[in-house]
Amino acid sequence: EPEVTQTPSHQVTQMGQEVILRCVPISNHLYFYWYRQILGQKVEFLVSFYNNEISEKSEIFDDQFSVERPDGSNFTLKIRSTKLEDSAMYFCASTPLWTSGRSGYEQYFGPGTRLTVT
Amino acid sequence: DAKTTQPPSMDCAEGRAANLPCNHSTISGNEYVYWYRQIHSQGPQYIIHGLKNNETNEMASLIITEDRKSSTLILPHATLRDTAVYYCMWGQGGKLIFGQGTELSVKP
Repeated sequence: EPEVTQTPSHQVTQMGQEVILRCVPISNHLYFYWYRQILGQKVEFLVSFYNNEISEKSEIFDDQFSVERPDGSNFTLKIRSTKLEDSAMYFCASTPLWTSGRSGYEQYFGPGTRLTVT
Repeated sequence: DAKTTQPPSMDCAEGRAANLPCNHSTISGNEYVYWYRQIHSQGPQYIIHGLKNNETNEMASLIITEDRKSSTLILPHATLRDTAVYYCMWGQGGKLIFGQGTELSVKP
């Protein structure tokens, strides 16, 4: 069964450093998302991406964050200058194109990247 | 943000049905109800969604009240592997808004 993959599984970085989290969505999916979950807290939406542009972003997704689909398979989240409070699990998700008769709520999540900022 | 109300925790005996309630009294007529779960710290997993009619798939059943203000997710024969946090959400697609969910513990 196809699945979303994410690399690395764990990233440790120093405050102020740039990090890039990578995701390979399911191959025929066209909508992509990033979520994060700070330890012990709920999952929070960061950004959605379709047709090579951001569809929607949350207040969390400020100028320090960016997303990119550099090729036909990868979807990346970049944090330019990490802060201690960026430490969290970051989940990528994808979903097929919504067509008539399909609700599009079946978002398929990857296993996550645990980001630790020291 | 779309708000739902779920009990924070529930227990269920292995092999018995787990019935997880959700209140979504502010849902509007064309918005779907959907359920996800998160096992430990893994990525959330889609379970089921519905609009008006009851729905069933290989994982669970979803019962939506006629006024659509609440729903119940039913795991017909819970196993230890069903221990997870279960999230009820509603909306028209796009971003998922997670609440605190219900932590279901399935006990032997």
